[in-house]
Amino acid sequence: IAGITQAPTSQILAAGRRMTLRCTQDMRHNAMYWYRQDLGLGLRLIHYSNTAGTTGKGEVPDGYSVSRANTDDFPLTLASAVPSQTSVYFCASSDSDRGSPLHFGNGTRLTVT
Amino acid sequence: EDKVVQSPLSLVVHEGDTVTLNCSYEVTNFRSLLWYKQEKKAPTFLFMLTSSGIEKKSGRLSSILDKKELFSILNITATQTGDSAIYLCALVGGANSKLTFGKGITLSVRP
Repeated sequence: IAGITQAPTSQILAAGRRMTLRCTQDMRHNAMYWYRQDLGLGLRLIHYSNTAGTTGKGEVPDGYSVSRANTDDFPLTLASAVPSQTSVYFCASSDSDRGSPLHFGNGTRLTVT
Repeated sequence: EDKVVQSPLSLVVHEGDTVTLNCSYEVTNFRSLLWYKQEKKAPTFLFMLTSSGIEKKSGRLSSILDKKELFSILNITATQTGDSAIYLCALVGGANSKLTFGKGITLSVRP
C-alpha cells in the first residue's frame, strides 16, 4: 500500500542521546516535511525539503537536523536530545511544494527522560 | 507572520446534531486552505479550498471559503460517533508556500 512509513512507532530516550527518526515514502513525492505535535500548540513545522538534495528550516528547527539524499527518505536527527523534544513527530509528503495536500505518516511518539 | 485561528477549541455534541467549525486566518500571498481530520494517528485530508464561495462537499461534510472576510467553515450534518476527532485547518501561503496549521478543534460526538 502506497504511503509514508515512519519508524520507530515510539521511543523512550535518555537526555543527551542521539536519535534518528526514519521516514520513507513510496509515492515519489518531491516535497517532504517534519512536524511535531504538542498539546495546545498544534502541528509545528521543524524542517522541510522541496526536492531531493535540498532542505529548509521551518518554525522550530533548533536541535534538529535533516537530510534528503534521495526522493524517498527524509530522516530527522536529534543530535543531543532534551526533554523539551518530547513530542509526537509526523513526517509528511506532497507531490509539490505549492500547496498540494499533505499525506502524513502515522507518527513517532518520542519521550526524552 | 501567517496566522490560523480555529474556534471553538473543543465542543461536545450528540449524535444527529449539526456542527460548524470555524477557521480564520491572516496570510500574505494566499494559495489554499486545507481541512484535515485527525483521529488516533495521522491527519487525513478532507478538503482543499482555493476560491471564495465554492462549497466543497463529501457526504455529510462540507466546507466553504470566504477570502474577503478571511475565514473558512467546516460543516458536519447528522453527526455520528465516528466523527469524533481533532479537525485541523491549515493555510498555504507566504513567500515559501508552507503550511501553517491551526491548533485544531476537538469534536466529541456522544451517542
